[in-house]
Amino acid sequence: GENVEQHPSTLSVQEGDSAVIKCTYSDSASNYFPWYKQELGKRPQLIIDIRSNVGEKKDQRIAVTLNKTAKHFSLHITETQPEDSAVYFCAAPDGTASKLTFGTGTRLQVTL
Amino acid sequence: DGGITQSPKYLFRKEGQNVTLSCEQNLNHDAMYWYRQDPGQGLRLIYYSQIVNDFQKGDIAEGYSVSREKKESFPLTVTSAQKNPTAFYLCASSILAGAENEQFFGPGTRLTVL
Repeated sequence: GENVEQHPSTLSVQEGDSAVIKCTYSDSASNYFPWYKQELGKRPQLIIDIRSNVGEKKDQRIAVTLNKTAKHFSLHITETQPEDSAVYFCAAPDGTASKLTFGTGTRLQVTL
Repeated sequence: DGGITQSPKYLFRKEGQNVTLSCEQNLNHDAMYWYRQDPGQGLRLIYYSQIVNDFQKGDIAEGYSVSREKKESFPLTVTSAQKNPTAFYLCASSILAGAENEQFFGPGTRLTVL
């Protein structure tokens, strides 16, 4: 099955700085990579995803990059704000693309 | 966030008892999922269902059972065979089956086994 590793487990940045979270996956057939954000006490929500036919996707202050050769993808948040504080999960599909395997999560803390 | 609900929000049970967690969606989604969330372990898939009357085991199905008799409902039973049942349980649904469809999560049920 798919194995997804996520780093770091915790990340603290000052407001306005950038944050980067990295994930690696094991199944070379995977071609869809979503990122979910879970604020404290709330349910996870999809914030951005990328498919293997592109190397980068941006949505305002967040972006995701994908390196299929190295089998890793990253979430980039620029100009961080306090409301970015949350746990972020990456995920990748299994070989049959029927289910997702999630990373262990990164707790991002944006300090003033 | 509306459309997928879980009940109850908190659940306490004695060791050895089976307990059933409810998950309902009115989004007309085909697929539904159950995850377990433990600190430092992310979201781990217990069971998923791609269509009514069909479901598959996820990565940690032992000690759990599900049913999918109606499109909008996917209850999860935590049996006494589950060795460490205390956890936060999240239900999710997606409009179509397949990992490439956005999953919408419910608010979760926190189960504590005493």
